[in-house]
Amino acid sequence: DAGVIQSPRHEVTEMGQEVTLRCKPISGHDYLFWYRQTMMRGLELLIYFNNNVPIDDSGMPEDRFSAKMPNASFSTLKIQPSEPRDSAVYFCASRSSSSGRAHNEQFFGPGTRLTVL
Amino acid sequence: SQQGEEDPQALSIQEGENATMNCSYKTSINNLQWYRQNSGRGLVHLILIRSNEREKHSGRLRVTLDTSKKSSSLLITASRAADTASYFCASEETSGSRLTFGEGTQLTVNP
Repeated sequence: DAGVIQSPRHEVTEMGQEVTLRCKPISGHDYLFWYRQTMMRGLELLIYFNNNVPIDDSGMPEDRFSAKMPNASFSTLKIQPSEPRDSAVYFCASRSSSSGRAHNEQFFGPGTRLTVL
Repeated sequence: SQQGEEDPQALSIQEGENATMNCSYKTSINNLQWYRQNSGRGLVHLILIRSNEREKHSGRLRVTLDTSKKSSSLLITASRAADTASYFCASEETSGSRLTFGEGTQLTVNP
């Protein structure tokens, strides 16, 4: 398996532009998580899905952020309009519930480094 | 804050020495996990300890969990330069499937 795939790996954009981050989870995984990592705030959970349904979006900072999971193999995180304070590394992670609660490890993608000028 | 606490924030040791990192969390948990992150990379799962376990070993890793103190420790024995990375604890709350990550410990192992 190729692991969790994220694109793009790096994104530089100007304030006000729309940014779309993409994630392909590991095949067969039914949970998908979006995180944001910054020096100031560490690693924060933004939203997670189970079987393509958003379960907890309490970490989404504001209405400028939205996430979708149209099918089991694809998710997007969109920021519109983007602001300089959105600059961070955004990680997608997935896991399977089929192994039982004793094996709830998450598998992380390589991240997208976003810079908003 | 959704963050747990880890200490130390940074640790620098010589190759061959042991490294101990500590983590505290705030809520009731199903399990406590440790992850490693190399610079510029995603997190990689190292080990998971369930709430009814007190100690677990995996290779050179030893994890302890004290649910009465809401704390955990990660011990890396006989460290190597390749162990240089950031290490994060993550607690899975009983209320759901989310993980709450600690602030991380930056470990540097000098050759």
